[in-house]
Amino acid sequence: AQTVTQSQPEMSVQEAETVTLSCTYDTSESDYYLFWYKQPPSRQMILVIRQEAYKQQNATENRFSVNFQKAAKSFSLKISDSQLGDAAMYFCAYRRYSGTYKYIFGTGTRLKVLA
Amino acid sequence: GAGVSQSPSNKVTEKGKDVELRCDPISGHTALYWYRQSLGQGLEFLIYFQGNSAPDKSGLPSDRFSAERTGGSVSTLTIQRTQQEDSAVYLCASSHTPTRWGGGNTIYFGEGSWLTVV
Repeated sequence: AQTVTQSQPEMSVQEAETVTLSCTYDTSESDYYLFWYKQPPSRQMILVIRQEAYKQQNATENRFSVNFQKAAKSFSLKISDSQLGDAAMYFCAYRRYSGTYKYIFGTGTRLKVLA
Repeated sequence: GAGVSQSPSNKVTEKGKDVELRCDPISGHTALYWYRQSLGQGLEFLIYFQGNSAPDKSGLPSDRFSAERTGGSVSTLTIQRTQQEDSAVYLCASSHTPTRWGGGNTIYFGEGSWLTVV
């Protein structure tokens, strides 16, 4: 069974600084998708970024980028130039390529942005 | 509507009562997911519907939990004989048909139903 682990329950970053959130996962499959979701206090989950496992190039979306290390089964999220609006819970998630398409989520990392 | 709609937003119920939580997915989305988020916890998968296929019920924690999806659209999650440990936020999400090649790769969440069992 696939598992997703986020070992940092909480992180803090100064406004305008850079922070990296960690995620590791376990799977025996070679093809899959990985995601980072953001959950602000409003509870609305929002997709931040996604990565296809077959792509070697790391995904980027504006100030958000990932460091995908397939062999190490690591998928970290880097937030550059942190803003107050980035404060939220961040969840790492895994989805298989085939079969059941359920998403498996980690336990989340609460990010605090300090002014 | 434009997004995934869930009702009620908040529900307080007495232990032992049954509750129904409703999810109205985005129009045209064939996939529908239910997750449970307990305080300070991650998202726990409950059930997944895809079109007319048999749902993946592997995450339902007990036989007190059931869900149905009528007409491939609206879904109802029912919890019978509620217990205090059922207190959580129940999140619904929907997407286009997931495919091996990336279809349905963006799931859209509702704002959740916050259930409190007293």
